[in-house]
Amino acid sequence: DARVTQTPRHKVTEMGQEVTMRCQPILGHNTVFWYRQTMMQGLELLAYFRNRAPLDDSGMPKDRFSAEMPDATLATLKIQPSEPRDSAVYFCASGLSTGRNEQFFGPGTRLTVL
Amino acid sequence: KQEVTQIPAALSVPEGENLVLNCSFTDSAIYNLQWFRQDPGKGLTSLLLIQSSQREQTSGRLNASLDKSSGRSTLYIAASQPGDSATYLCAVEFPGGSEKLVFGKGTKLTVNP
Repeated sequence: DARVTQTPRHKVTEMGQEVTMRCQPILGHNTVFWYRQTMMQGLELLAYFRNRAPLDDSGMPKDRFSAEMPDATLATLKIQPSEPRDSAVYFCASGLSTGRNEQFFGPGTRLTVL
Repeated sequence: KQEVTQIPAALSVPEGENLVLNCSFTDSAIYNLQWFRQDPGKGLTSLLLIQSSQREQTSGRLNASLDKSSGRSTLYIAASQPGDSATYLCAVEFPGGSEKLVFGKGTKLTVNP
C-alpha cells in the first residue's frame, strides 16, 4: 500500500518551541513538496525537493523554517522558534518527476502554536 | 501572477443530481491540472490529472475537462451521492520549472440525502 506518511499527525506546542515534522515519501518517488494549509490562504507551497536537492523554498520564511532530506526516505520540516501564526496543517506530497508530475499527499500534521 | 480560482466556494445539492464544479486559471500555458478531494480533517486525495495535451479525463462518475484557451476546467460529477460531500480542490502546474502546484481555495460540496 504505497502512501505518503507524516508524523506527528497533531502537535500542540508553545510559542518559541522548536517543531519538527517528518515525511516519508512513496518509495521510488523523486520529488517531495511541503505545503501549508490555512483557512485564509488555502494551500501554499513552502519547499520542494527533487532527487533530495532543494529546488524551491521561496515560500518559506527563511529565518525560522528549514527543510531537509537526509535521505530518500525522509523529509523534514523544522520551525524554530515557532509562533502562533505558524498554526496550520502542513502537508507533504511526493511524486515522480515525469511529464505527468502527479502529486500524492500525506495526511498532514495539524500544528497549533499557543 | 499565476492564480487559480474556484467558484462557488460552497455548493449544496440533493442526492442524485448531476453537478459541475468550476476552476479557472491565469496563463493558458499550463503543464497539467489536477483535481483533488479533501474530507474534513484529512489529506488530499488525487481524483484526476489532465495533462496539457489532453482535453478530458474520466474516472467512474467523475469527468474532468480542460480548455486551456479559455483558462478553465470543469469537474463533472454524475448522479451525486452523500458520500461525495467534501471539498474539491483544483491545482495547476504552471511553466516555470519548479513542478509546484498552485491551488484554488476549493469548492465545498454538500450532497443532501
